[in-house]
Amino acid sequence: EAGVAQSPRYKIIEKRQSVAFWCNPISGHATLYWYQQILGQGPKLLIQFQNNGVVDDSQLPKDRFSAERLKGVDSTLKIQPAKLEDSAVYLCASIPSSGTSGKVQGTDTQYFGPGTRLTVL
Amino acid sequence: GEDVEQSLFLSVREGDSSVINCTYTDSSSTYLYWYKQEPGAGLQLLTYIFSNMDMKQDQRLTVLLNKKDKHLSLRIADTQTGDSAIYFCAVAYSSASKIIFGSGTRLSIRP
Repeated sequence: EAGVAQSPRYKIIEKRQSVAFWCNPISGHATLYWYQQILGQGPKLLIQFQNNGVVDDSQLPKDRFSAERLKGVDSTLKIQPAKLEDSAVYLCASIPSSGTSGKVQGTDTQYFGPGTRLTVL
Repeated sequence: GEDVEQSLFLSVREGDSSVINCTYTDSSSTYLYWYKQEPGAGLQLLTYIFSNMDMKQDQRLTVLLNKKDKHLSLRIADTQTGDSAIYFCAVAYSSASKIIFGSGTRLSIRP
């Protein structure tokens, strides 16, 4: 079974530029998460999708971050314009399903991709 | 609010047991997880425990939960060099669809 794929693995940009990350979850996984992991910290949820709908984007800085999952499969996360403090690893994770409520079940193992390391200069 | 805390570093001798601790603030937790992150890799789920359990054992891993004190621990028996990684505690809450992660504990193994 192929894992969660993310690209690019590394990206270096200057502040005020735009950047986009791509995630392809495990086939058949309905729920997809984007996390931001700043160096020395744990992952922080940015947005959760259930199929092509948003379940939780309360921690997404919507003035500069956007995400979509148009066909309910792969997803893109965009930052426009980037700031220095956006330097982090952006992790994508997926689980098969969490029902209609979007609530996490203990046996729903979150499968994480390798992440995209973003450096903003 | 929801907060999960861990100590930043732990160093143990190869063959000894490692105990990684975690505390959390919100008592409405449902599931509690331990993840492992190796350099350049994503997070790997090691084990989880439901909040009505006190203990769970899985081969070299033992999870202890003290719900009264909101304290979770992960014990790794016979620690090996391959156990070197950052270990994250994470808590899921019934009132939210998200999982809150701690800052991670870096486990280093000395010979």
